[in-house]
Amino acid sequence: EDQVTQSPEALRLQEGESSSLNCSYTVSGLRGLFWYRQDPGKGPEFLFTLYSAGEEKEKERLKATLTKKESFLHITAPKPEDSATYLCAVQVSGGGADGLTFGKGTHLIIQP
Amino acid sequence: NAGVTQTPKFQVLKTGQSMTLQCAQDMNHNSMYWYRQDPGMGLRLIYYSASEGTTDKGEVPNGYNVSRLNKREFSLRLESAAPSQTSVYFCASSASDYGYTFGSGTRLTVV
Repeated sequence: EDQVTQSPEALRLQEGESSSLNCSYTVSGLRGLFWYRQDPGKGPEFLFTLYSAGEEKEKERLKATLTKKESFLHITAPKPEDSATYLCAVQVSGGGADGLTFGKGTHLIIQP
Repeated sequence: NAGVTQTPKFQVLKTGQSMTLQCAQDMNHNSMYWYRQDPGMGLRLIYYSASEGTTDKGEVPNGYNVSRLNKREFSLRLESAAPSQTSVYFCASSASDYGYTFGSGTRLTVV
């Protein structure tokens, strides 16, 4: 069974304090790993897709990396507006249902 | 562009009532999806449609039906609502492997 585990469940940082969020996955064959941001009362907003181990992508203060077992979302010098829930999801190669399998998310709070 | 539009945004149903959640996308995407999001459970796939005219079950399809009306529209129907179906429902669409675009959600309460 495909599994996606995110840690920590919640993280509180001071403004400017860099950190990383973890997404570990167990799948039969990875087709893509996705990161989303979700603000309260809104739908998930796409951030990145990673396809192969060693791949990295950046957007403003965020950088996503991928290994064969996990992905990290690094946040550098965060600002209060980076506060949100960050979701990781995987798309599996072949067979079964299409769609993404999501982790439960990391709730990130950046304090001024 | 509106992206993915869901209606209604909020709904309260009594147990046993039926309703249809509507979803429309204007991005010419082939694939569309319905997810539910519950506290502590994450997003779970209910049904999906890989292309117009096809639908398939996801992880949690029991109690739901779907219709892919055309390429733009994908509806989710609850025939006899139960309290366990209280949730936030998200519709999404995608073109191949690019990031899925989600709607803003329908918050459903079944009493």
